[in-house]
This record gives sequence, C-alpha cells and structure tokens, in this order.
Amino acid sequence: DIQMTQSPSVLSASVGDRVTLNCKASQNINKYLNWYQQKLGEAPKLLIYNTNNLQTGIPSRFSGSGSGTDYTLTISSLQPEDVATYFCFQHNSWPLTFGSGTKLEIK
Amino acid sequence: EVQLVESGGGLVQPGRSLKLSCAASGFTFSNYGMHWIRQAPTKGLEWVASISPSGGSTYYRDSVKGRFTISRDNAKSTLYLQMDSLRSEDTATYYCATGRSAPFDYWGQGVMVTVSS
Repeated sequence: DIQMTQSPSVLSASVGDRVTLNCKASQNINKYLNWYQQKLGEAPKLLIYNTNNLQTGIPSRFSGSGSGTDYTLTISSLQPEDVATYFCFQHNSWPLTFGSGTKLEIK
Repeated sequence: EVQLVESGGGLVQPGRSLKLSCAASGFTFSNYGMHWIRQAPTKGLEWVASISPSGGSTYYRDSVKGRFTISRDNAKSTLYLQMDSLRSEDTATYYCATGRSAPFDYWGQGVMVTVSS
C-alpha cells in the first residue's frame, strides 16, 4: 500500500501569510494527487485535483504542485475562512489512500 | 446540480449487517465510477470500496474484503454498500463519492454507522 505522510500535522499562521502544506508518498504516484479541505462537521471539499488543477469555484489563492513522491498545497494569502483540516489523497493505485491531515489554524 | 444523498446508517450490534444507499441525481449515473469513503470519529479519511460504471469491476480495502459488498443499480441511480459481520472498527461516517468533472470531485454529506453492543 502507498503511505501518504502529511506535514506538519498542525499549522498556525496569520491572516495574509503564505502557507505551505506538504504531502509525501511512499512511492511514485504519477501526479494522481488530490487535495481536500474539510471544515468541522462537513464533508470534504475538493480543492486541487491531479496535483495542480484548481477545482471549479475554488479561490485562486489555492495552488498545488509536485511530482513523483512529493506534493505541496500552497495558500498564497491565508484567510479566516481557510481554517480547516486539509487532506491529500492518492488515486494512482489500489488501495487508494489518504494522508492523515494538516489542521490549519489562525494565530 | 449533482447530488449524492446517503441513507441507511444507524446503530448496529457487532457481527450484524447493515446496507447503505446513496441516491444520485444531476448527472448520468451509469457513466461514472462510484466510491465509498469513511471517516471514524475524530479520525482521518479512509477509502473503502469502488465500483466501475457498469458494475463489472469492484475494488475493496483489505480490512473489508469478504465482509462488504459494493453494488449499484443504474436504473435507479443508486449506489449500495452491504456491510456484513460488522466490527467496532467499522464505526464511522460513510460518504459516497464520484468523479464527474474531476477525480473524486463530488461527495455526499455522509451517513453515520455505529457498531456497538
């Protein structure tokens, strides 16, 4: 199984900061990597698919990059509404696997 | 508008069965693969099972293989998850999801399953 390791597990930043969340796969996942945002009590929402494609309706301050085993979600200017847990997800090979999440907080 | 609405959750004793449903609307259900994903209380997300558009191919995580069965009724635009021999570790919110415009882009609101005596 492909293990997905997210770092950090908790990130505290100020409004307006540039924020970077990391996701490392235990093997090459060929850019089949999605990022989800989950707010308390809600279903996950797709932000980025296949590494760097912004889902329709998602603000342009969110962006994704990476290749091979290393992937990044960047928020260019953190907003209060971005408080949530962020999960990465590989859909390159079975079984499909998620990272354990990064909880993003506002300082 | 794409909608996925799960139902069938509840409290069940260990070893018993439960069948979840996911009613889909707003898209041509028979054209898309469907998936079940779960989340234990205060935990992360875990993929459970997937099924191809025709239903001819199914995929499961090891921990549910032989106990859970994913199926679909394309005439009714409904996805199912038959869960047998339930264990306490199956306690979770179960989401159905699909990939209509992007992989795994639409998710339902989830249904809670609690396995406890």
